[in-house]
Amino acid sequence: QVQLVQSGAEVKKPGASVKVSCKVSGYTLTELSMHWVRQAPGKGLEWMGGFDPEDGETIYAQKFQGRVTMTEDTSTDTAYMELSSLRSEDTAVYYCATEEYSGYYLYWGQGTLVTVSS
Amino acid sequence: EIVLTQSPGTLSLSPGERATLSCRASQSVSSSYLAWYQQKPGQAPRLLIYGASSRATGIPDRFSGSGSGTDFTLTISRLEPEDFAVYYCQQYGSSPLRTFGQGTKVEIK
Repeated sequence: QVQLVQSGAEVKKPGASVKVSCKVSGYTLTELSMHWVRQAPGKGLEWMGGFDPEDGETIYAQKFQGRVTMTEDTSTDTAYMELSSLRSEDTAVYYCATEEYSGYYLYWGQGTLVTVSS
Repeated sequence: EIVLTQSPGTLSLSPGERATLSCRASQSVSSSYLAWYQQKPGQAPRLLIYGASSRATGIPDRFSGSGSGTDFTLTISRLEPEDFAVYYCQQYGSSPLRTFGQGTKVEIK
């Protein structure tokens, strides 16, 4: 059983960056394909990007290209998502989730609320 | 980019009734790569259906998925009180994109 535990809520000013962590237990990070999905208040789910095992690379939704970086520390089985140049529209709950071979998300973190406000 | 459109936006039903949720894709989606999730307030989404019609582990058999090509359906045969939630479809299409529908809220009538 995979468990994903995310870091706590963050409050950031516009223009700043935020780095959210996702600690894996039950499996090692190298056995998983980790992705990130966000949800603005009262809105739907939005895929941001993640590791694509077909290409062996991290892929990003076009909307976030150049602003988001997803990394992994396999020594601690922790995945990270860093979003820069924050604006108020980035206020959302950010989830890490493991992608299965057929592209669905089986395990989810509890979510991290990032609030962007001056 | 494949766009998923869910309908209706809100479904008002009573416990015991049947719920039929639609997910329409702007381009054909492989059935292998269509999933459904349930989300309750303050919680992460939970996988219900993958591969268009396979129930995830622990999901009651009152939940069923069907469809192919551009039209997919999630059916809840008899609504239980805990089924009132928001439901999302999701596709894994031509790499590298994954997209979600905008969601259907199933509320108590």
